[in-house]
Amino acid sequence: DVKVTQSSRYLVKRTGEKVFLECVQDMDHENMFWYRQDPGLGLRLIYFSYDVKMKEKGDIPEGYSVSREKKERFSLILESASTNQTSMYLCASSTIQTNEKLFFGSGTQLSVL
Amino acid sequence: AQKITQTQPGMFVQEKEAVTLDCTYDTSDQSYGLFWYKQPSSGEMIFLIYQGSYDEQNATEGRYSLNFQKARKSANLVISASQLGDSAMYFCAMRETSGGYNKLIFGAGTRLAVHP
Repeated sequence: DVKVTQSSRYLVKRTGEKVFLECVQDMDHENMFWYRQDPGLGLRLIYFSYDVKMKEKGDIPEGYSVSREKKERFSLILESASTNQTSMYLCASSTIQTNEKLFFGSGTQLSVL
Repeated sequence: AQKITQTQPGMFVQEKEAVTLDCTYDTSDQSYGLFWYKQPSSGEMIFLIYQGSYDEQNATEGRYSLNFQKARKSANLVISASQLGDSAMYFCAMRETSGGYNKLIFGAGTRLAVHP
């Protein structure tokens, strides 16, 4: 089975801190994604990557950056955390061989105080 | 503009009855895919069912079926014989191509409560 692992289930940070959210997948998937989930808004795409060292902006990239130095790892970076970035963050991976069905990690609930 | 619309924020159903969760989509692509995911209270996203835009038959997976009406741009999820464990958030999603890349966009979700 595909496994997508997010490093933290819960995270509490202070305003202005630099925050790293890590995601690792073990199925050699080409594609990786970061979403945030907020009540009433569903999942919104922040950034995605289709190859090592490649990144593309999603629908809400402001305030975020990403890094993909290795195929299996995709990191989301909050350069200076703000309270409006309090949210559930979901990492996912996919491959074209499965119609690009997403396999998700268990999520990181980030609270910025 | 909303590309995936789920008009039912919440639904409830009696155990063992069938329920339909609505989803409409907007795209000008000829080739696209539609997905449904379930998110229980534990938070993990569970893939349920997939329908390709060129598939002539409605997709089915066990108790889940997708009522695909292409002309109406709707992709409703039908759950037959509801169980208590079906209580969860349900998200409809569409694969779209933008800038040469494929990505999934999601609706706002429907919270389903199954009552005994």
